Amino acid sequence: QKEVEQDPGPLSVPEGAIVSLNCTYSNSAFQYFMWYRQYSRKGPELLMYTYSSGNKEDGRFTAQVDKSSKYISLFIRDSQPSDSATYLCAMSAIIQGAQKLVFGQGTRLTINP
Amino acid sequence: DTGVSQDPRHKITKRGQNVTFRCDPISEHNRLYWYRQTLGQGPEFLTYFQNEAQLEKSRLLSDRFSAERPKGSFSTLEIQRTEQGDSAMYLCASSLARRWLNTEAFFGQGTRLTVV
Repeated sequence: QKEVEQDPGPLSVPEGAIVSLNCTYSNSAFQYFMWYRQYSRKGPELLMYTYSSGNKEDGRFTAQVDKSSKYISLFIRDSQPSDSATYLCAMSAIIQGAQKLVFGQGTRLTINP
Repeated sequence: DTGVSQDPRHKITKRGQNVTFRCDPISEHNRLYWYRQTLGQGPEFLTYFQNEAQLEKSRLLSDRFSAERPKGSFSTLEIQRTEQGDSAMYLCASSLARRWLNTEAFFGQGTRLTVV
């Protein structure tokens, strides 16, 4: 079993829809939770960075962490075609002082105009 | 551009050849990471440096792989006797870690390796 599970999709929704992306994890030591966006043939770009349970909002993006259920989510409101990309969840525990990231498989998202 | 820079962006090599990739982290970032990403998968951790010291290596990093960060600035990742299974995107990331500050990791654009 992988430490981080993420539905690879693909997920296709119409423009303006609310998108929900999710990951589950098994390692209770994870404390930091991140969402990265990756366009085709590019490096991952950090979208959201949260520590502990709860919600964090940044513009059209909301990250949600439920440590009791080992479940994290990213919501995208008013989705735009430019949001079409692969979304990667990532997590880390402090191991030897480094934030070594463990990534999910990534969900490929397409927003249709 | 003050982000993480990787060179080359693409590399095609024949099986058995050696290849070397370079990563220039964000200035002042003391931590540097290497990840590998295959098609349809998330990045997998390979190794990381704190300044010039290589502090952790994944079991994914076989004896054919070696990474260096000689002066605590840029880093190189060398793969010897490449195999077709080495074909992947090799990503470099950097972050700043101080006693009271630990920034998130910023990734470069990656080096895409194809072994034929």
